[in-house]
Amino acid sequence: DVKVTQSSRYLVKRTGEKVFLECVQDMDHENMFWYRQDPGLGLRLIYFSYDVKMKEKGDIPEGYSVSREKKERFSLILESASTNQTSMYLCASKGSGANVLTFGAGSRLTVL
Amino acid sequence: GEDVEQSLFLSVREGDSSVINCTYTDSSSTYLYWYKQEPGAGLQLLTYIFSNMDMKQDQRLTVLLNKKDKHLSLRIADTQTGDSAIYFCAETNGLMNRDDKIIFGKGTRLHILP
Repeated sequence: DVKVTQSSRYLVKRTGEKVFLECVQDMDHENMFWYRQDPGLGLRLIYFSYDVKMKEKGDIPEGYSVSREKKERFSLILESASTNQTSMYLCASKGSGANVLTFGAGSRLTVL
Repeated sequence: GEDVEQSLFLSVREGDSSVINCTYTDSSSTYLYWYKQEPGAGLQLLTYIFSNMDMKQDQRLTVLLNKKDKHLSLRIADTQTGDSAIYFCAETNGLMNRDDKIIFGKGTRLHILP
């Protein structure tokens, strides 16, 4: 069964801390995505990557960065967490010939 | 830009049929999706339909597409407590190219009444 794994399901961090959210997929997918999900706002795309070491800004990249050093791993980085980054973060991936996204279980981040 | 609209809440009695509606604005949509999100979990693909289809049925799920009105619906027959979730409608005109995007609605929370 194909899998996208987000290692941290729940995190609590303090304002100003650096936060790493990790996502690993075992499907040899080229494309990986980070979304955040907020009540009433749905899913918003933060960053995506179509290849190792490649990244593209999504709709709301401010305050975030990403890293894709290996094909299977896509990390979302909050350099200095703020309370307005409290949210559910969803990672997804897809193969180059596919039109379907596969999602991870999500990482719920609370910034105090 | 492209938009996908769906109502935020729906309450249905157990055993009844649930119908979740969605409208979209992109006339070049090729793929339309329904994703399900259970509490505390990620999004799980339920089903998808190509724009050249009117209907797709899979067990208790029926998807209807009215391309002229840009209206997509998901019918769940014999709704069970396990169907309680948020259902996201989404569309894309393809995800083959780097710049292609999938547009999600805000999700409809389905509440099952006993």
